Amino acid sequence: GQQVMQIPQYQHVQEGEDFTTYCNSSTTLSNIQWYKQRPGGHPVFLIQLVKSGEVKKQKRLTFQFGEAKKNSSLHITATQTTDVGTYFCRIPDHGSSNTGKLIFGQGTTLQVKP
Amino acid sequence: GAGVSQTPSNKVTEKGKYVELRCDPISGHTALYWYRQSLGQGPEFLIYFQGTGAADDSGLPNDRFFAVRPEGSVSTLKIQRTERGDSAVYLCASSLGLGSSYEQYFGPGTRLTVT
Repeated sequence: GQQVMQIPQYQHVQEGEDFTTYCNSSTTLSNIQWYKQRPGGHPVFLIQLVKSGEVKKQKRLTFQFGEAKKNSSLHITATQTTDVGTYFCRIPDHGSSNTGKLIFGQGTTLQVKP
Repeated sequence: GAGVSQTPSNKVTEKGKYVELRCDPISGHTALYWYRQSLGQGPEFLIYFQGTGAADDSGLPNDRFFAVRPEGSVSTLKIQRTERGDSAVYLCASSLGLGSSYEQYFGPGTRLTVT
């Protein structure tokens, strides 16, 4: 089945520093979604990217889909303690949009020191 | 409105016992998914339903695991002869439609501990 590599696994930053997590797939994707899971919580949808080279922003969060639609990144500018959690990308199995078999990356856990 | 609910929130059982985990999706959501999440890992796909039928159960680890959704709403994940390796958080999610373009709404999970 489809696999997605997400790096880094962990990131510790000082409050105010930037943070980036990356997802890489071996196949072209129809779309990619990003989720955030707070400690002790459940994954919560952040955003979906569909178009090649697409860039979307949510306040201090910037999401990007690669030109080849095989990779994506999430960048947080000037992290705050409220950004703490694990960020997951989610892709469809076999890259196709017409499936409910949805694969999550291993996640990047962000710790922010105040 | 109400989100996805799961019961119980915690379940401790002895090795070899049978357990049932329940998921109540958001009303009107036709697609329902089960995942298993171990510490430090992403949610691992188990099975998904479109309506009443299990459209893809290829993620179920073995034949001890079974899930049903008889009326196209509530779903139950059943685990027979539990093993210590089954200990994990079992997450349920639902979405308005089937396919990767739909946002998934997750329940709070059931933490299963097999002793």
